Amino acid sequence: EVQLEESGGGLVQPGGSLRLSCEGSGFTFRNYWMQWVRQAPGKGLVWVSFIDSDGTTISYADSVKGRFTISRDNAKNTLYLQMNSLRAEDTAVYFCIRGLTVDYWGQGTLVTVSS
Amino acid sequence: QAVVTQEPSLTVSPGGTVTLTCGSSTGEVTSGHYPYWFQQKPGQAPRTLIYDTNNKYSWTPVRFSGSLLGGKAALTLSGAQPEDEADYYCLFSYGGARVFGGGTKLTVL
Repeated sequence: EVQLEESGGGLVQPGGSLRLSCEGSGFTFRNYWMQWVRQAPGKGLVWVSFIDSDGTTISYADSVKGRFTISRDNAKNTLYLQMNSLRAEDTAVYFCIRGLTVDYWGQGTLVTVSS
Repeated sequence: QAVVTQEPSLTVSPGGTVTLTCGSSTGEVTSGHYPYWFQQKPGQAPRTLIYDTNNKYSWTPVRFSGSLLGGKAALTLSGAQPEDEADYYCLFSYGGARVFGGGTKLTVL
């Protein structure tokens, strides 16, 4: 069974940093592109970033470019999102997603940016 | 960055048919935008229904279908069920970027 489990969310002050993790299981992690999507409370889905299977092709939404860094450790079956210079508008549930065909979603981890 | 536009809300009667659409600020939506459709119920993670315009997953109910219609991407629900009441989102690919639509709240009433 394919599973994606996000972790690392929490409360952080504006300007602070946080690193999210997403551990994949039930599939060959190293074979899949991975993505991050977020959803602010009561709002719609927003694409954040993707990374290809070996980490050489990466893309970001304009709203996070220069502040967020996506990476992966295929030996640990884990996807990461390093978030720096956090703003109140980054408050959201962050979902990790498997593949370009976006077939499986994790349950999400909540990031709250507030003083 | 492109803007993807969806109907904010739609209502369908049980057993009825409804079509949700997604348009792009850049012009006609084509298969090259690899349209995706997602369903999200309150308190749950989204679930992918359609990928690459009209392809379904094993869990996609037969009553859902994807297409291109009038320059937009379309999701048609034929024979609506009460459990289809949810928010629906589309997603387009623009080269190295992805953009979601704002979502459609579908009411089955």
